[in-house]
Amino acid sequence: TQLLEQSPQFLSIQEGENLTVYCNSSSVFSSLQWYRQEPGEGPVLLVTVVTGGEVKKLKRLTFQFGDARKDSSLHITAAQPGDTGLYLCAGALISGTYKYIFGTGTRLKVLA
Amino acid sequence: KAGVTQTPRYLIKTRGQQVTLSCSPISGHRSVSWYQQTPGQGLQFLFEYFSETQRNKGNFPGRFSGRQFSNSRSEMNVSTLELGDSALYLCASSLGSDYNEQFFGPGTRLTVL
Repeated sequence: TQLLEQSPQFLSIQEGENLTVYCNSSSVFSSLQWYRQEPGEGPVLLVTVVTGGEVKKLKRLTFQFGDARKDSSLHITAAQPGDTGLYLCAGALISGTYKYIFGTGTRLKVLA
Repeated sequence: KAGVTQTPRYLIKTRGQQVTLSCSPISGHRSVSWYQQTPGQGLQFLFEYFSETQRNKGNFPGRFSGRQFSNSRSEMNVSTLELGDSALYLCASSLGSDYNEQFFGPGTRLTVL
């Protein structure tokens, strides 16, 4: 069974703090995506990383793809209440019976 | 460019009934994937259609089926509904090429009573 473990599962922090969310697997991915989901809505794509070691920045969010393309991290600098939501990573498998596996999710709450 | 649309947004059914959900992908996208999301299991892949053919399938029973039309619109059907089928059903579209970015619709919230 292919798994994509995210940590932490839950995170409650004060506005202005920094945080890092991790996404780990034993599988190799052709690409990896990060999403944020609000309650009752579909996930919204934040970024796609494709190359091992790749780093992408989206304002206060920094995404990194591991060198071996098995893991990724999302770092948020100076978190704001608007960052509150469920963060999901999704790996596109190079081979297997289905294309994408989703992480277990990290529920972030940023307190004002 | 319009995003992925799903209809209906909310649905209430009773056990034993069947349901059909619809998804219209982003214009030009040929791949449509369906996912089930529940608090306990997270996001689980159901199946993917590309050019009217099922290309990938997850580990769900045969009560869950789907199809895709020539205009890339897709439908998902669940027969003989069970209480455990209550979930948010999400559709995602992509170009279908190797470099895949999936874009999700708002989902259909299905409640089985």
